[in-house]
Parts: sequence; structure tokens; C-alpha cells
Amino acid sequence: DAGVTQSPTHLIKTRGQQVTLRCSPKSGHDTVSWYQQALGQGPQFIFQYYEEEERQRGNFPDRFSGHQFPNYSSELNVNALLLGDSALYLCASSSGGGSSYNEQFFGPGTRLTVL
Amino acid sequence: GDSVTQMEGPVTLSEEAFLTINCTYTATGYPSLFWYVQYPGEGLQLLLKATKADDKGSNKGFEATYRKETTSFHLEKGSVQVSDSAVYFCALNIDGGYQKVTFGIGTKLQVIP
Repeated sequence: DAGVTQSPTHLIKTRGQQVTLRCSPKSGHDTVSWYQQALGQGPQFIFQYYEEEERQRGNFPDRFSGHQFPNYSSELNVNALLLGDSALYLCASSSGGGSSYNEQFFGPGTRLTVL
Repeated sequence: GDSVTQMEGPVTLSEEAFLTINCTYTATGYPSLFWYVQYPGEGLQLLLKATKADDKGSNKGFEATYRKETTSFHLEKGSVQVSDSAVYFCALNIDGGYQKVTFGIGTKLQVIP
């Protein structure tokens, strides 16, 4: 059983460009969350998707947007890239989507470098 | 807002030494508390959790007790191994919060033979 997978592994972009990161959740999971982990920092919650809708959002600007597909996979889009967007982007999946906590399983991340 | 404060590393210990990584939290509501571990080149993994006051989470020889009176969740292990070298994150989640997890800054542990 494959765990959470993310693509690409690494990505280099320049300021002002747009980027799309992809995530496939663990089998049986229907909820996907995205986190940004800057170098030397803890992950910060960006948003969560369940039933193809954004369920909750952290303190990130509208340049960060996402999508969830019927097969539960998800994309994270970042527009007008800034140098400060350079980070490891983590995807986490879980089941249930309800109010009770279900363990999240994290992918290995996508390392984004903005030059 | 909700936040987690943990001791900054790096922490360097000899094999078989005792480990403590301090973690305190601030939360509106009644959080669940977690320790996650990130081994080199791997994704975050849940190490242990506690969902109510005085609960003790444990896994792989690691333990942490949910102390509501001191708002703390310190991670301990009696005898560390080289394979425990990793970054450890203290984190919290508010019940009913749709799994939005708030992480601390992370503490890098290096265990030397």
C-alpha cells in the first residue's frame, strides 16, 4: 500500500511565476491537508480539502489556492511567487473528514526554491 | 492564537543517555497534543499523542504526559540510540478543529555512539 505521494520532489521557479504541486493520498483516505515548512521551522497549516471543498484555511494569502479531485487527490497552486515562498510543502491525508481527530499521514514533501 | 513552544536544538547526546525535550503550549479550547518525528529524508511521522489531561502517550520507548496545570507535554526517553537521531516536533490540535495541527519549531536530536 503506497503511502502519501507527492510530485515533483524538487522544483525551482523564479519570482512572479506560478507553480502547481500534486498530492495523492493514502489509500482509503478522503481528506487532504497542505502545510508549508520553511527551513528550520515547523510546518504551518495552509488549508484542508474534503469532498472537493476547502474545509479550513490557515493564515496564508489568496495567492495560495488548491483543488481536490473526485479521486481525492489534490493540487496546491501558488501564484506570483515570492522568494519567501521557498519551503518544503507537505501534504497530509486522513480519513473521516469529521470533527474528531484521525491520524494524518504525511508525504515526503516537495522542495520549492524560488530564485 | 494557538501556539507551541519547544526547546531549540540541536541537542547532542551520547548513546544510552536520558533525553528530555521540553514543550509548552497555549491554546483556546481543549487541545490534543502530539509529538511528531522527522527522520532524515523522510516525511513526518506521528510518534505519540495524548488527548486529555494526565494522559501519557508512549511509543518506541518515548513517553510524554499531558500536564494541563503547567500546559506542558515534555518528551522523554530513558536510553537513546543512534537511530533516534531526527527532528522532533511538538504539536497540538483543537478538538473539532478539522485536524488543523499547530506545530512547534522542531528540535534536532543527534545521538553519537
